[in-house]
Amino acid sequence: GENVEQHPSTLSVQEGDSAVIKCTYSDSASNYFPWYKQELGKRPQLIIDIRSNVGEKKDQRIAVTLNKTAKHFSLHITETQPEDSAVYFCASTPGGSYIPTFGRGTSLIVHP
Amino acid sequence: NAGVTQTPKFRVLKTGQSMTLLCAQDMNHEYMYWYRQDPGMGLRLIHYSVGEGTTAKGEVPDGYNVSRLKKQNFLLGLESAAPSQTSVYFCASSPTLGSRYSNQPQHFGDGTRLSIL
Repeated sequence: GENVEQHPSTLSVQEGDSAVIKCTYSDSASNYFPWYKQELGKRPQLIIDIRSNVGEKKDQRIAVTLNKTAKHFSLHITETQPEDSAVYFCASTPGGSYIPTFGRGTSLIVHP
Repeated sequence: NAGVTQTPKFRVLKTGQSMTLLCAQDMNHEYMYWYRQDPGMGLRLIHYSVGEGTTAKGEVPDGYNVSRLKKQNFLLGLESAAPSQTSVYFCASSPTLGSRYSNQPQHFGDGTRLSIL
């Protein structure tokens, strides 16, 4: 089955810095890669996703890049703010399976 | 439009007791999922359903049963609760569009915090 590795497990940055979280996957048939943000005590919520026919996608301060050859995808957050502090999960979904495999999460801490 | 609703939000059980967690979605989604979330372990899939009347095992199914008698509801049962089942349980749903590039994001409920003493 699919295996997703997510790094780092904890990331501490100063407000205004950039943050990068990287995930690697194993199944070459995976074609959908969502990222979820989970604030403390809340539900995970989708913040951005990318499909295998696209190399990069941006939405304001967040972006996701995908390297199919290397089987890795990354979340980039620029100009971080304290409200970006949360746990971020990546996921990988093989085509047509509708069953994502999640990374173990990255706890992002943005210091004011 | 409430999205995905989970009940109860909190529950404390004694070892050996049984209970059922209810998940309801009003988005007409085909797929529904039950996850457990433990510190440092991410979201682990317990069981899932691809449609009314169907269920399948996920990564960590032991000790749990599920049923999907109606499309909008997905029930998770613990027959004989054990302390190792202390966790936060999330239900999620997602639509399907039937093509290879049709994977859609999951919509999560608020979670049920379950403690087994």
